[in-house]
Amino acid sequence: DTGVSQDPRHKITKRGQNVTFRCDPISEHNRLYWYRQTLGQGPEFLTYFQNEAQLEKSRLLSDRFSAERPKGSFSTLEIQRTEQGDSAMYLCASRFGQGKNTEAFFGQGTRLTVV
Amino acid sequence: AQSVTQLGSHVSVSEGALVLLRCNYSSSVPPYLFWYVQYPNQGLQLLLKYTSAATLVKGINGFEAEFKKSETSFHLTKPSAHMSDAAEYFCAVSYSGGGADGLTFGKGTHLIIQP
Repeated sequence: DTGVSQDPRHKITKRGQNVTFRCDPISEHNRLYWYRQTLGQGPEFLTYFQNEAQLEKSRLLSDRFSAERPKGSFSTLEIQRTEQGDSAMYLCASRFGQGKNTEAFFGQGTRLTVV
Repeated sequence: AQSVTQLGSHVSVSEGALVLLRCNYSSSVPPYLFWYVQYPNQGLQLLLKYTSAATLVKGINGFEAEFKKSETSFHLTKPSAHMSDAAEYFCAVSYSGGGADGLTFGKGTHLIIQP
């Protein structure tokens, strides 16, 4: 069990460019989450997958954002036409089973800087 | 909507002193409550969780928290602070009922340990 891994750890991009982040959850975890964390704030929920199905999307997830989990394993988060306001840490988490009382395991995050 | 309030964005204590980090939640149904710790440029690590089994919950690194329904609180404590406890601490909530599966986080409390 190597934990949740995210790639890349850091990304600097120019405004208007597209970026894609990858998350590999713990292998037996069926649930996968994306969160965004800005400086001085707690993580904010973006979206949630159960296996390959995207079951929830926050209103924070504008139409420039898209997430996939095609085979119910790894997930990608793409941001199109990046804006400076997209600069943040993007965290991925995974959970096993169905209960809301189970621990979410977090990756180390991808820090995005839009210049 | 579920929410969590962490009182005090920064808390400073001397090494060896009591640590008290405050968390209050809003709820109309039984909550599940979590405390996570985040070190600089890292993901979040679970310290402890409340899932209705016991109101006093013991976690890792000597931390514990007490669920008080009457006060809608879940404050985090540690009897004796260590320099390695310096980090950002987040309280989070999810609910046993239907609805959103993701965690809702507070804004965090930065714990500073004075030598």
